[in-house]
Amino acid sequence: ETGVTQSPTHLIKTRGQQVTLRCSSQSGHNTVSWYQQALGQGPQFIFQYYREEENGRGNFPPRFSGLQFPNYSSELNVNALELDDSALYLCASSSRGANYGYTFGSGTRLTVV
Amino acid sequence: AQSVTQLGSHVSVSEGALVLLRCNYSSSVPPYLFWYVQYPNQGLQLLLKYTTGATLVKGINGFEAEFKKSETSFHLTKPSAHMSDAAEYFCAVPPHTDKLIFGTGTRLQVFP
Repeated sequence: ETGVTQSPTHLIKTRGQQVTLRCSSQSGHNTVSWYQQALGQGPQFIFQYYREEENGRGNFPPRFSGLQFPNYSSELNVNALELDDSALYLCASSSRGANYGYTFGSGTRLTVV
Repeated sequence: AQSVTQLGSHVSVSEGALVLLRCNYSSSVPPYLFWYVQYPNQGLQLLLKYTTGATLVKGINGFEAEFKKSETSFHLTKPSAHMSDAAEYFCAVPPHTDKLIFGTGTRLQVFP
């Protein structure tokens, strides 16, 4: 079975721009979550999608938005990029929710200059 | 609210020595608990998880963790460290079914 794949692996954007990150969930997983990991910190929950609907959101502003598609892949969109958005963005998928753990992708390293 | 605290942001051991990484959780109800490992420039890999049942949980790469309700702890151990164990380790708890709350992480260094 394939795991969680994320693209691109690295990205450099200018402050004020918009960015879209992509994630393909593990086969059989219908739930996708996104996490932001700043340098030297633990991952912070952004939001989760289940069957194309957002069903949980962390403490992130509305300029962080997402989508889940019928094949359970997902996108994370960030508008009006700020320098503090520089981080590793991790996608995770699950078939049974957080209580049973997630499979994580390798992440997208976003640098905002 | 459920949370986890990892004591020690850095732990250094010699190859072959015991590894002990500490995690305490705050909850009135035995939670689900996880340990993840992150190698440099990679995502997170699940090491082991506690759901219900046996309090000693065995994971991958020779790691294990013991759930101790009386101490609200879920410390990660490995009897003999290997150079390849050098990584960042995160303890995590799911306060709800929609997310994981991670600790601040412990960086493990293994010296020859």
